[in-house]
Amino acid sequence: DTEVTQTPKHLVMGMTNKKSLKCEQHMGHRAMYWYKQKAKKPPELMFVYSYEKLSINESVPSRFSPECPNSSLLNLHLHALQPEDSALYLCASSQGLAGSDTQYFGPGTRLTVL
Amino acid sequence: AQTVTQSQPEMSVQEAETVTLSCTYDTSESNYYLFWYKQPPSRQMILVIRQEAYKQQNATENRFSVNFQKAAKSFSLKISDSQLGDTAMYFCAFKPNAGNMLTFGGGTRLMVKP
Repeated sequence: DTEVTQTPKHLVMGMTNKKSLKCEQHMGHRAMYWYKQKAKKPPELMFVYSYEKLSINESVPSRFSPECPNSSLLNLHLHALQPEDSALYLCASSQGLAGSDTQYFGPGTRLTVL
Repeated sequence: AQTVTQSQPEMSVQEAETVTLSCTYDTSESNYYLFWYKQPPSRQMILVIRQEAYKQQNATENRFSVNFQKAAKSFSLKISDSQLGDTAMYFCAFKPNAGNMLTFGGGTRLMVKP
């Protein structure tokens, strides 16, 4: 079963709100990722977690705060976002960080910042 | 650094016909992995097919096959017997053996017409 789930499917928030995106996988994968995708563009990597520790942070603004409570869960906490942060946020997971480990994606959360 | 280029922003094909999507990449790595991901309007990125660079045999998955030309650094996707459900954005992606960072091409939007 190659399933990654994400909640919510859609989120609308104001610039002063605090919200969280959630991602879950039950494939026993030890690496999890957050990507940001603008319309008609490829995904852009934001964060990588490996064994519940932050491995890569692609110079993402601090208004995005990732959290990995356990090996199956990955959260993205949002605060004081800007309208240009509106995008599709994709979560992915893989067995590990080896080159041979394929990334499997969730369905995404469509975020709109007003 | 690696780059991935998809030279066809949009393509269309009649149902039941065959279509080929192009992808070229540039790398100094000798061992790596290549992927095609499909992203339908439902937004989920779905793995279509994967190719290990050390394997000369082209990967196939049912109606999907690749033409991998390592010397030319080319990795095209052939979809046979196209179906309406194949309508989607297709992304070619590269991953070196030494890491887990995916480099995506710009995508090709494929429309299958009835």
